[in-house]
Amino acid sequence: KAGVTQTPRYLIKTRGQQVTLSCSPISGHRSVSWYQQTPGQGLQFLFEYFSETQRNKGNFPGRFSGRQFSNSRSEMNVSTLELGDSALYLCASSSSPGLAAGSNTQYFGPGTRLTVL
Amino acid sequence: KQEVTQIPAALSVPEGENLVLNCSFTDSAIYNLQWFRQDPGKGLTSLLLIQSSQREQTSGRLNASLDKSSGRSTLYIAASQPGDSATYLCAVRTNTGANSKLTFGKGITLSVRP
Repeated sequence: KAGVTQTPRYLIKTRGQQVTLSCSPISGHRSVSWYQQTPGQGLQFLFEYFSETQRNKGNFPGRFSGRQFSNSRSEMNVSTLELGDSALYLCASSSSPGLAAGSNTQYFGPGTRLTVL
Repeated sequence: KQEVTQIPAALSVPEGENLVLNCSFTDSAIYNLQWFRQDPGKGLTSLLLIQSSQREQTSGRLNASLDKSSGRSTLYIAASQPGDSATYLCAVRTNTGANSKLTFGKGITLSVRP
C-alpha cells in the first residue's frame, strides 16, 4: 500500500507570494492533518480535515488555509508569504479522526520544505 | 492547554547501551500517546501508540510506557544501535471529536556512537 505522498518536496518562494501544497493520503484514509515544523517551535498543528470538512484548526493566522477533496486528497495554501513561514510542512493521514482504539495512528508523509526569501 | 515536554533535547550514548527517553504532559485527560521517529529532513515514522487505557506497548527492541496520572511516558530502547540515531518525538491526543488534535514535544535527538 502506498504511503502518504506530498508534492512538491521542495519549494522556494519570495515574500508576498502565495503557495499551495498537496497531500495524498494512504488509500482508504479519510482524515488528513497538516503540521508546520520549525527548529524554534517544533511541530505545530495547522488543521485537520475529515470527509471534506475541517474538524479542527490550530493557532495560525488566516493566511493559512486548506481544503479536502472528495477523494480525500488535501491541499493547504499560504498567502502573502512571510520569512517566518519557512518550514517543513508535514501532512499525516489516518483512517479516522481519533475515535476507535487502534484506528487513529497517524502516518506522515515526507514533507514539503518551503523556503521563503 | 496541553504542553508536552521532552528532556534532554539531545542524548549521545555508546552502541549497545539500553536507554530511556522521557516525555511529560500537563493535561492527563489524553486519548492516546504516540511515539515517532524522525530522520533528518524526513517525515515522521510512527513507532508505538498507547491508548489511554493501556500501560505499555512493545515492538521489537522498543517498549513504551504510559502513566496518565503522573503525566509521563517513557520510550525504552534496548541494545541501542547506530541505526537508532534519529530524533524521537512523543505526541498526545487530547479529547476526541471536533477538538481532537495531536500536541507534540520538541523531540530528543539521539546519537548512538559505534
